[in-house]
Amino acid sequence: DIQMTQSPSSLSASVGDRVTITCRASQGIGIYLAWFQQRPGEVPKLLMYAASTLQSGVPSRFSGSGSGTDFTLTISSLQPEDVATYYCQKYDSAPRTFGQGTKVEIK
Amino acid sequence: QVQLQESGPGLVKPSQTLSLTCTVSGGAITSDSYYWSWIRQPAGKGLEWIGRIYVSGGTNYNPSLKSRVTISVDTSKRQFSLKLTSVTAADTAVYYCAREGGSGNYYRPDSWGQGTLVTVSS
Repeated sequence: DIQMTQSPSSLSASVGDRVTITCRASQGIGIYLAWFQQRPGEVPKLLMYAASTLQSGVPSRFSGSGSGTDFTLTISSLQPEDVATYYCQKYDSAPRTFGQGTKVEIK
Repeated sequence: QVQLQESGPGLVKPSQTLSLTCTVSGGAITSDSYYWSWIRQPAGKGLEWIGRIYVSGGTNYNPSLKSRVTISVDTSKRQFSLKLTSVTAADTAVYYCAREGGSGNYYRPDSWGQGTLVTVSS
């Protein structure tokens, strides 16, 4: 099975900072990569799919890029409401494996 | 807007079978545009995809759970269900049902239920 590895596992940044999270697949998955945000105590929410397509209603400060094995999620200007754990998920084939998550906190 | 709601016992004894149901409202479970899936999350840990079902009954399962998992659908009740046999404490988690939307073979979870905590304990 293809493994998904996120880095870093956690980060702390200031409001307004640019934040980048990386997700690496152990084999190529094309662009079939989704990103989810899970705020504390909440249900995961789809942010991005097809590596770079923003889900409806998601703020434009979120962006995604990549293809094949290397992907990034970028928050252009970190806001307090962005405190959450972010997960990537491959969906090119079963099993739909998730990354282990990246916890984002405000410094 | 589609809504999904999990239901089932919150406590299951070791070696028994965990059974959960997800009820879909506000959208057609019979639509050929969606898959219906189960995902779980142990407390303080990450997300694990369990499997999914298509309206035709076709299924995909996580190989790590495949020998113990069955997902089924009852379109007349607008429900799909999860059965996990021979549970242990390692199966204690919040279980989410979700709708996977997309096209071709490329479906991702775009709507989630609120989740239900299932504890495996005697």
